[in-house]
Amino acid sequence: KAGVTQTPRYLIKTRGQQVTLSCSPISGHRSVSWYQQTPGQGLQFLFEYFSETQRNKGNFPGRFSGRQFSNSRSEMNVSTLELGDSALYLCASSPTVVGRVYNEQFFGPGTRLTVL
Amino acid sequence: DAKTTQPPSMDCAEGRAANLPCNHSTISGNEYVYWYRQIHSQGPQYIIHGLKNNETNEMASLIITEDRKSSTLILPHATLRDTAVYYCIVRSTSNFGNEKLTFGTGTRLTIIP
Repeated sequence: KAGVTQTPRYLIKTRGQQVTLSCSPISGHRSVSWYQQTPGQGLQFLFEYFSETQRNKGNFPGRFSGRQFSNSRSEMNVSTLELGDSALYLCASSPTVVGRVYNEQFFGPGTRLTVL
Repeated sequence: DAKTTQPPSMDCAEGRAANLPCNHSTISGNEYVYWYRQIHSQGPQYIIHGLKNNETNEMASLIITEDRKSSTLILPHATLRDTAVYYCIVRSTSNFGNEKLTFGTGTRLTIIP
């Protein structure tokens, strides 16, 4: 099976712009989570989608949003970019088997966003 | 989810066993211990998880103390490719609808040739 793919891998934007990042989960996985990683704050959970619905949301401002399509692919959008949004954005997919104790998360390579 | 404490960094000689400790003194009865690692410039990778019994898989072994307040991840024969940041995460049993992982600062393990 192909792993989680994220596009683009690198992105440079300027303050005030908006950006859309894409994530394709492993085939058959219906849960997609997004994380932000910065040197100062480490890995932080943004949100999780399952069957096109947001199930969980982290503590991020409303400028950060996402969606999931019927094929489980997901996008996240950041509007009105700020310098502090520069980070590695990671996507993870999970099989989410009902009743299973733990559903391992498989991470993609990330999109490195630089805001100038 | 219970808080975890890990040493910020550790070194280990190549070929030796790497033992990474994690304290989770406030862990509750239904919380599992999970380990992920992140090799530089890659996404985190699941390693192993356990509740109270010791666990072993092809990557590592997980030793959980009897009181469950601490655990140790063991990489039996460390190689240079094991150089990474290792995260110990404690979370409750996966209930349908909660896949969130709370990462701490982790331990930066460096394998020395």
